Amino acid sequence: DQQVKQNSPSLSVQEGRISILNCDYTNSMFDYFLWYKKYPAEGPTFLISISSIKDKNEDGRFTVFLNKSAKHLSLHIVPSQPGDSAVYFCAASRLEVRGANNLFFGTGTRLTVIP
Amino acid sequence: NAGVTQTPKFQVLKTGQSMTLQCAQDMNHNSMYWYRQDPGMGLRLIYYSASEGTTDKGEVPNGYNVSRLNKREFSLRLESAAPSQTSVYFCASSQITRQPQHFGDGTRLSIL
Repeated sequence: DQQVKQNSPSLSVQEGRISILNCDYTNSMFDYFLWYKKYPAEGPTFLISISSIKDKNEDGRFTVFLNKSAKHLSLHIVPSQPGDSAVYFCAASRLEVRGANNLFFGTGTRLTVIP
Repeated sequence: NAGVTQTPKFQVLKTGQSMTLQCAQDMNHNSMYWYRQDPGMGLRLIYYSASEGTTDKGEVPNGYNVSRLNKREFSLRLESAAPSQTSVYFCASSQITRQPQHFGDGTRLSIL
């Protein structure tokens, strides 16, 4: 059963506009959330994270919002650039035995930024 | 600074053959992980090692074994490969505390 869901397989936006990528989760034990960016033939690259004690985290053009009551998070990219074109994965984690930080991933959203 | 290095990058096996995927990290991380990614799906955790000397099962451990050889290295073994294990395998590492995982570039494995 998919515990982290990204219901939009793809998204296209014009360069300079805002990109909004969405993610939903079902497990209330998740307390740390991350977004990863992935280019073809490469591993996922960490983008931004948020702890469950916060509702917003910003890093330059990237902002992640967390709505715990709705079990929903979103990634905003402003302004979008052609180099942002990639697959974006949402991931969530809970503390595991022995302190591991296991991640549960969504299925990804392919973002295309049109010049 | 290499980060997480996976070998090999590509491999084709026949059903029933065995294979070990290698992973090494140079960031002095305590925890290491193996994931698989199938088409149209997110990454799924196979096994993890929270610290040197420990290993635990993830979501999809069947058909795999792992060895945490030392703090740097974490290997994944397929004892008798099956076509259902055709996938892209990613290794990752992180500190124990709430820090993001860093991924290697993957091993693309095809089993005929």
